[in-house]
Amino acid sequence: DAGVTQSPTHLIKTRGQQVTLRCSPKSGHDTVSWYQQALGQGPQFIFQYYEEEERQRGNFPDRFSGHQFPNYSSELNVNALLLGDSALYLCASSLGVVDEQYFGPGTRLTVT
Amino acid sequence: AQKITQTQPGMFVQEKEAVTLDCTYDTSDQSYGLFWYKQPSSGEMIFLIYQGSYDEQNATEGRYSLNFQKARKSANLVISASQLGDSAMYFCAMRESGRGSNYKLTFGKGTLLTVNP
Repeated sequence: DAGVTQSPTHLIKTRGQQVTLRCSPKSGHDTVSWYQQALGQGPQFIFQYYEEEERQRGNFPDRFSGHQFPNYSSELNVNALLLGDSALYLCASSLGVVDEQYFGPGTRLTVT
Repeated sequence: AQKITQTQPGMFVQEKEAVTLDCTYDTSDQSYGLFWYKQPSSGEMIFLIYQGSYDEQNATEGRYSLNFQKARKSANLVISASQLGDSAMYFCAMRESGRGSNYKLTFGKGTLLTVNP
C-alpha cells in the first residue's frame, strides 16, 4: 500500500523565481492538503483540494496556488519566491475532507 | 489566542519509563478532533492517536494513550515504556468542525522528546 509521496525531496531556488512541488496521495485517498512548516514551528495550513477544486485556504498570499489532477495527485506552485518561503512543505492526503490525514515526507525548499 | 499550546519545548525521559507531553487547546466548537503526530528528523509527520470531542473514553494505541480532559481543554499524550526510537518532535493538532471551520489541522509548536539510554 503506497503512502503519500512528494517530489522533489530538496530544492534550492533564488528569490523571485517560481517553484512547483508535487504530491501523490495515499492509495484510495481523494483529498490533498498542503502545509508549510518553517524551522522550529508546527505546520501551517496552506490549502486543500478535493474533486479538483480548492476547497479551503489558509492565510497565505495568492503567490501560493495549486492544482489537483483527475488521478488526485496535486501540485503546489509558489511565485515570486521570498526568503521567508524557505520551509518544509508537507502534503497530506485523506479520504474526503473530514477523514484523518496522512502526511508525506515533505519537500524542503531553500530560497537564497 | 493560540489554538494549540504545547508548553514543553523539550523533554527528556529514560528508556523504558513513561512520559507525558502536554497539550491544551482553545475552541468554541462543540465538535472537534484532537491529534498527535510524531515527526522524526527525516521530516515525515507520523499519525499516532486521535480523540474526538464526543468520545467518552480516552484513546489508546499501543504504547500511546491520550489523557483527554474536556473541561480543562487538555489532551496530553502519554507514551509508556519509552524506546530510543521515540526520540522525535511531537505535535498536538486540532481539527474544528463547526460552522465556518474548514477541517484544517491547526498544530502546536511541538515538543522535542529525547529518550536517554
